[in-house]
Amino acid sequence: GAGVSQSPSNKVTEKGKDVELRCDPISGHTALYWYRQSLGQGLEFLIYFQGNSAPDKSGLPSDRFSAERTGGSVSTLTIQRTQQEDSAVYLCASSRGRLGQGILSGANVLTFGAGSRLTVL
Amino acid sequence: QQQVKQSPQSLIVQKGGISIINCAYENTAFDYFPWYQQFPGKGPALLIAIRPDVSEKKEGRFTISFNKSAKQFSLHIMDSQPGDSATYFCAASNRGTSGSRLTFGEGTQLTVNP
Repeated sequence: GAGVSQSPSNKVTEKGKDVELRCDPISGHTALYWYRQSLGQGLEFLIYFQGNSAPDKSGLPSDRFSAERTGGSVSTLTIQRTQQEDSAVYLCASSRGRLGQGILSGANVLTFGAGSRLTVL
Repeated sequence: QQQVKQSPQSLIVQKGGISIINCAYENTAFDYFPWYQQFPGKGPALLIAIRPDVSEKKEGRFTISFNKSAKQFSLHIMDSQPGDSATYFCAASNRGTSGSRLTFGEGTQLTVNP
């Protein structure tokens, strides 16, 4: 598609429930990122996928968080046993980037989706 | 080492004025410094970016100033307009790790009054 698509745009859930957030990156983009944006805060890195390489999971805050990327395209972020502190906007981004490409080329430009706002009651 | 510190947290400027947002970093391996602009309900979008071998980059009303020795960089918005009202994030990355993974500052909420 023309942009990064995320669904749902809004999700309200009860504490303890599992949630799945979906990201459709721009076609042809090999890199996909998940970030979390809490109210009034910056963007917190969660996980990064690049092609068929093992994902960089170093930003996942706990083992309740996991993500997968099927077929090098769509990605799903899963939060198990949600807690109130998980409430945030979850942003997905994609880029054409690969390690070593020119740093000001379009390859390093992250295109973000509008995010999925998660509210845990 | 991975943090990027951004200030101020909020900024109010009159139309036509200059908006200045500052960022500082610790990791000397960072080699890419973009600024992203975010409007309410939207994802951040790239505004302008600079590499560390350049001290200044200008695109229209937006200028990045970069001070490698001080490990600081700033965004200047000249002739600020109400349409510039948004949240601005500085960021940095090291291509030697995790591709283009960006470390973001905390963000600055800019309001330009008409």
